[in-house]
Amino acid sequence: DAKTTQPPSMDCAEGRAANLPCNHSTISGNEYVYWYRQIHSQGPQYIIHGLKNNETNEMASLIITEDRKSSTLILPHATLRDTAVYYCIVVPIIQGAQKLVFGQGTRLTINP
Amino acid sequence: DTEVTQTPKHLVMGMTNKKSLKCEQHMGHRAMYWYKQKAKKPPELMFVYSYEKLSINESVPSRFSPECPNSSLLNLHLHALQPEDSALYLCASSQSGLAGGGRDTQYFGPGTRLTVL
Repeated sequence: DAKTTQPPSMDCAEGRAANLPCNHSTISGNEYVYWYRQIHSQGPQYIIHGLKNNETNEMASLIITEDRKSSTLILPHATLRDTAVYYCIVVPIIQGAQKLVFGQGTRLTINP
Repeated sequence: DTEVTQTPKHLVMGMTNKKSLKCEQHMGHRAMYWYKQKAKKPPELMFVYSYEKLSINESVPSRFSPECPNSSLLNLHLHALQPEDSALYLCASSQSGLAGGGRDTQYFGPGTRLTVL
């Protein structure tokens, strides 16, 4: 079962920052937080992941609370192409292949 | 090259047919995955291959038979499917191995949309 809770849908105006919350209150110390997104009719796409510290890459920023029970994905300047379903997934630190358990995700709509 | 390719893009088959889905990657990844995604639902893991060996089977019915002939190729053989098996079948790959699952990024293909009549 997915161990995260996300709002089912969100809207954001083009050019504004999109802030997508995720609750993972049962996360354990050996689990990462991963974010993927799925644009309509495409395969999921990796965005970013983190363990304890905040992370930033060319796509997004990930803010993880100090107690690690929740996180926020930030798309700093949303464009229409960012319209997608965003999945927050907790993944254990294990050797070998990774098992992703997708929850329902957040359907983000960027409006012009 | 960070691409995972899947063929065919679309497949329509009858319940008595035998068909195969193909997935290919040339990123040197040693883990490959099959997911099933029904309409308006999230992807669900079916199988995981690590170093060409089946490491995870999520209790998938035997009418789905995976095969990993080499480190770049992953097949999914289909036989005697049911209409409820109609879905988008996604393949993914990741570096796996000593990097550890917690720091592994999966790259997904575009999927094969399967319709069973």
